[in-house]
Amino acid sequence: DIQLTQSPSFLSASVGDRVTITCRASQGISSHLAWYQQKPGKAPELLIYAASTLQSGVPSRFSASGSGTEFTLTISSLQPEDFATYSCQQLNSYPFTFGGGTKVEIK
Amino acid sequence: EMQLVESGGGLVQPGGSLRLSCAASGFVFSEQYMEWVRQAPGKGLEWVGRIRNKASSHTTEYAPSVKDRFTISRDDSKNSLYLQMNGLKTEDTAVYYCARSIVGVRRFDYWGQGALVTVSS
Repeated sequence: DIQLTQSPSFLSASVGDRVTITCRASQGISSHLAWYQQKPGKAPELLIYAASTLQSGVPSRFSASGSGTEFTLTISSLQPEDFATYSCQQLNSYPFTFGGGTKVEIK
Repeated sequence: EMQLVESGGGLVQPGGSLRLSCAASGFVFSEQYMEWVRQAPGKGLEWVGRIRNKASSHTTEYAPSVKDRFTISRDDSKNSLYLQMNGLKTEDTAVYYCARSIVGVRRFDYWGQGALVTVSS
């Protein structure tokens, strides 16, 4: 199975901060990576797919890059509604796997 | 408006069975691949399995942790997805989400609100 390691697992930041989350795959997954945002008690929501494509309706302050084994998600200016948990997912091969999540909290 | 609504969750004893349903609306259900994903309390997301569309003969894929215990099926005439869970273990306790899957440019783009399954004696 492909392991996805997210870092950090917890991040404390202020409104307006630039935030970067990393996702590393245990083997190459091309660009078959998605990022999801999840708020407490809610279902995950798709932010990014194909490593860098913004899902329709997602604010442009979210961006992502990477291919192969190293990927990043960046929020250019953190907004109050962005405090949530972010998870990466590889869709390169079965079983599909998710990273452990990065919880972004208010400093 | 696209919608996925899970139902059928509840409390079940270890070794027992439960069937979850996911009712879909707002898109052509029969054309889409569908997924089940779960999340244990306080833990990360875990993919459970996939069922392909009719064009791909409704074939399935499963996570090793549930293979041979869980079965995914669908009824395109009812726009419904199912997860039959047998031989339940305490570690199967989780919120179970159904999700629509886009195959060409791979992603899970719409998710249901989730159904809680608790396995406990």
